[in-house]
Amino acid sequence: GNSVTQMEGPVTLSEEAFLTINCTYTATGYPSLFWYVQYPGEGLQLLLKATKADDKGSNKGFEATYRKETTSFHLEKGSVQVSDSAVYFCALPGSGGSNYKLTFGKGTLLTVNP
Amino acid sequence: EPEVTQTPSHQVTQMGQEVILRCVPISNHLYFYWYRQILGQKVEFLVSFYNNEISEKSEIFDDQFSVERPDGSNFTLKIRSTKLEDSAMYFCASNDRDRGSTEAFFGQGTRLTVV
Repeated sequence: GNSVTQMEGPVTLSEEAFLTINCTYTATGYPSLFWYVQYPGEGLQLLLKATKADDKGSNKGFEATYRKETTSFHLEKGSVQVSDSAVYFCALPGSGGSNYKLTFGKGTLLTVNP
Repeated sequence: EPEVTQTPSHQVTQMGQEVILRCVPISNHLYFYWYRQILGQKVEFLVSFYNNEISEKSEIFDDQFSVERPDGSNFTLKIRSTKLEDSAMYFCASNDRDRGSTEAFFGQGTRLTVV
């Protein structure tokens, strides 16, 4: 079935540093790809998504490009803020009859220091 | 903005007790899900539900688990006899598959602690 491999953390950065969190996927076909974020003490929120190859999802200064050549969907932000401290999850739908359940990566804890 | 709501936010229960976790999905969604996240681990799919029946379940979702849509708004997860290893954050989610969207909307979660 479909799966994701996500860069494991934790990642610690200073404010205004550049962020990359790597995510690669294995999938049948070209499913939508997602990044979810979990802020401390909160639930999962969709951060951004891309629905087809070469799409770029973006939100709150974060970007990720769906690259089928490298089967990747890396999350990037040019200048992180303290408020970006959270756990980030790469996700994609299952395959076959599991088209709509999501499979998540292990999550990457990001801590941004002032 | 519509959202998925879950209650309670935190539940502490003794091993062997039954617990019911409650969720109110987004009102026009028809597909509902439960996931869990054991502390420090990844989010895992438990079950999906549509048209008043389970459409898919994982190997985690054994006979101790059940789901129900008791009325037009609530969606519940019941654990009949809790074990220590059931301690986790449980997330409810819903989506609008009929429009071709695979995006899931998650609730804030219920932290279940079994002692």
